Amino acid sequence: GAVVSQHPSWVICKSGTSVKIECRSLDFQATTMFWYRQFPKQSLMLMATSNEGSKATYEQGVEKDKFLINHASLTLSTLTVTSAHPEDSSFYICSARPNRVPSYEQYFGPGTRLTVT
Amino acid sequence: GQSLEQPSEVTAVEGAIVQINCTYQTSGFYGLSWYQQHDGGAPTFLSYNALDGLEETGRFSSFLSRSDSYGYLLLQELQMKDSASYFCAVRGNFNKFYFGSGTKLNVKP
Repeated sequence: GAVVSQHPSWVICKSGTSVKIECRSLDFQATTMFWYRQFPKQSLMLMATSNEGSKATYEQGVEKDKFLINHASLTLSTLTVTSAHPEDSSFYICSARPNRVPSYEQYFGPGTRLTVT
Repeated sequence: GQSLEQPSEVTAVEGAIVQINCTYQTSGFYGLSWYQQHDGGAPTFLSYNALDGLEETGRFSSFLSRSDSYGYLLLQELQMKDSASYFCAVRGNFNKFYFGSGTKLNVKP
């Protein structure tokens, strides 16, 4: 149990286009999901907290108009990178916290590698 | 803000014991987690400490001292498959997690 999927696993896009990344909890409901960004050989940087039915909360320094988050259901959150630029190239990972377990638990998706050319 | 420090790299041989330390400075603290991540993969949960002391789960143990803002992950009977990056993460306000820079563990035969 507690499986989280992400789609796509990798994507290459041209500068100026937008890319949508999906994060799904496959066998549990998650009111709260998190989006992280990870540069090669570096830490996971928390970008935002995605809340079902309400607006996402963004960490300091993360542009909410650049990284649009929609948590439309208890099993799906999407991250849209708008007007992507090469500096947005990174590994994006989501995590989901099951509603039924202690709040310190979260399960990570396999990540999406975004390359902007 | 949040600040977590870990050694960048540790090397040990199969069968040995290794300890990965984590010190933190955070504005809110509710617990310390440890995650393992293999290259290109997703982080997987190893342990969580909310209170001071040692938590043991099989070959892995985790320790927390809240007064020292310090914790460590202890890996015993190292195996080649333990070669990975290990991250400590602080559970802060609103159940958000902030990750350390990660420690790359190299296990050699």
